[in-house]
Amino acid sequence: QSALTQPASVSGSPGQSITISCTGTSSDVGGHNFVSWYQQHPGKAPKLIIFEVNHRPSGVSLRFSGSKSGNTASLTISGLQAGDEADYYCGSYTTRGTLGVFGGGTKLTVL
Amino acid sequence: QVQLVQSGTEMKKPGASVKISCRASGYIFTDYYIHWVRQAPGEGLEWMGRINADSGGTTYEKHFQGRVTMTSDASVSTAYLEVNRLTSDDTAIYFCARKSRMVPSANWYLDLWGPGTLVTVSS
Repeated sequence: QSALTQPASVSGSPGQSITISCTGTSSDVGGHNFVSWYQQHPGKAPKLIIFEVNHRPSGVSLRFSGSKSGNTASLTISGLQAGDEADYYCGSYTTRGTLGVFGGGTKLTVL
Repeated sequence: QVQLVQSGTEMKKPGASVKISCRASGYIFTDYYIHWVRQAPGEGLEWMGRINADSGGTTYEKHFQGRVTMTSDASVSTAYLEVNRLTSDDTAIYFCARKSRMVPSANWYLDLWGPGTLVTVSS
């Protein structure tokens, strides 16, 4: 069982916006701003798309944005495209366990 | 080209050990940690631990302590993951990924991933 809770699936139509939540505790998501998000297409390695809650690495589309409120972080994808269909994982530093933890992952379907 | 290249697919029997390599290129190897993350078939990501590519210092997720060893060889810019006493539950894709040493340890994000190494454990 993952320490961070994500919805198993979300869906949206092309052009729409969707939000994926990542809920933890004050020991991880709520305790600092070290939340990251990863996109994983089938058969591929994960790719970093958001770090430090709301920062985008160079080359990542402006359509991807992150935020946080309390113990819940969120990833928003605007202007959905077919290529956004993938699994999305949140990650966080944690003071429980040893160092880092991932969410269980969310499958995004573009209808 | 900045990349992490991993060793190839492994098939092992229960009780055996496996050692996977992760070779870095295009950046200064010792400026980063190498983290190891695994993904069982159809499952999510599971963080296993990390190694400081400069000092060789390691941090293991508690679940793996005593059964996993992470090492590195800066002379060939390569990190290694060894998993002992394999069971079918260890069947997974094992990814290496890097994190900069130039930011605080708590600033936990992995900005470059290897392609993964499939390890299958079966009798």
